[in-house]
Amino acid sequence: DAMVIQNPRYQVTQFGKPVTLSCSQTLNHNVMYWYQQKSSQAPKLLFHYYDKDFNNEADTPDNFQSRRPNTSFCFLDIRSPGLGDAAMYLCATSRAGTGAGELFFGEGSRLTVL
Amino acid sequence: EDKVVQSPLSLVVHEGDTVTLNCSYEVTNFRSLLWYKQEKKAPTFLFMLTSSGIEKKSGRLSSILDKKELFSILNITATQTGDSAVYLCAVEPDGQNFVFGPGTRLSVLP
Repeated sequence: DAMVIQNPRYQVTQFGKPVTLSCSQTLNHNVMYWYQQKSSQAPKLLFHYYDKDFNNEADTPDNFQSRRPNTSFCFLDIRSPGLGDAAMYLCATSRAGTGAGELFFGEGSRLTVL
Repeated sequence: EDKVVQSPLSLVVHEGDTVTLNCSYEVTNFRSLLWYKQEKKAPTFLFMLTSSGIEKKSGRLSSILDKKELFSILNITATQTGDSAVYLCAVEPDGQNFVFGPGTRLSVLP
């Protein structure tokens, strides 16, 4: 059974038209992450939540925002997508604390910007 | 700056061959190293390594960590076409988020 679920799996948007990607988890993990992965590149961390505490990576553009209304759900909002934002967006979870084990990934949401 | 390097970046083999993928790292206060397999979707977990010299095995896959020389290898024996994927190495520094390497793209030809 899927434990980290992302929707939609595929999203096509127009340049500048906002999109929201969602992630839900049944693992009750404290930490949720959003990664951006472009073709043939490693996943790049955008931000993460440790419970309700939001942690933004220094080089994450302001165009990217996130919300975590409860333990189970996390959203990625891209306010004005540009062509360079076309990528796979991966949500992942882990238990609290470093050394707490692996990241559990969702299936990803592939964003196309026209 | 924390860094993870993988080699080779891409590899083409034939079914039945054995392959060795490399991951070296420079991080502050190493906690763990993880290997993931990524096909055309999200990465799936293979191994987590925290101690030197202890081999982890799962079927035809195995992995080992050398904390003195700061590297890990992932071995795949008797490769199959289903092993074709990108193999990602990720390292967790103490108190920090995972740092991913660029991945090794493995293609197994029939």
